[in-house]
Amino acid sequence: QVQLVQSGPEVKKPGASVKVSCKASGYTFTDYYIHWVRQAPGQGLEWMAWINPSGGGTNYAQKFQGRVTVTRDTSINTAYMELSRLTSDDTAVYHCARVIAGATTYGYWGQGTLVTVSS
Amino acid sequence: EIVLAQSPGTLSLSPGERATLSCRASQSVSGNYLAWYQHKPGQAPRLLFYGASSRATGIPDRFSASGSGTDFTLTIGRLETEDFAVYYCQHYDSSSVTFGPGTKVDIK
Repeated sequence: QVQLVQSGPEVKKPGASVKVSCKASGYTFTDYYIHWVRQAPGQGLEWMAWINPSGGGTNYAQKFQGRVTVTRDTSINTAYMELSRLTSDDTAVYHCARVIAGATTYGYWGQGTLVTVSS
Repeated sequence: EIVLAQSPGTLSLSPGERATLSCRASQSVSGNYLAWYQHKPGQAPRLLFYGASSRATGIPDRFSASGSGTDFTLTIGRLETEDFAVYYCQHYDSSSVTFGPGTKVDIK
């Protein structure tokens, strides 16, 4: 079965960077885009970026342009999201999600990674 | 970028009642690229519908979705206790993804 397993919680200081991993299994990693979505405390869902694991092409939400980088390592079926210049507003649960066939909707989600930014 | 508005913000209902949730887009959604998710605290969101009305795998038929253009609706025919959650609509196109602010369905 399809599984996305994310790395563990992180605590970072303002100005630092964080890198979250998302290991995929149960399907051909290069066949489906991976997206990153976050949810800050008490807030809704917010799309950040996607990556095409096949060619490595990426697309970023305008809000995060210049601050977020998504990459992948096809040898270990893992996608990564790195967010730099963290502020307290970046405290959130970060999810990776895999699209379903034929639609940019998320049929499979990672368990989420809590990133806490605090001095 | 298309902006999604959801109403109401909160819907207080009893088990067995019918829930009707609205999602309105700031401009017409081409290709009906509109999805609905259910989200419970501490869990990953769950895909309910995509393409405005195509039910995702394993979603009970008490859930239905419809709409086109700028107006979309998610209906829960008879609420069960496990249906109390936050529901999000989502638009997608070739370059971006946006979510609505969500509708919380809570127990009256």
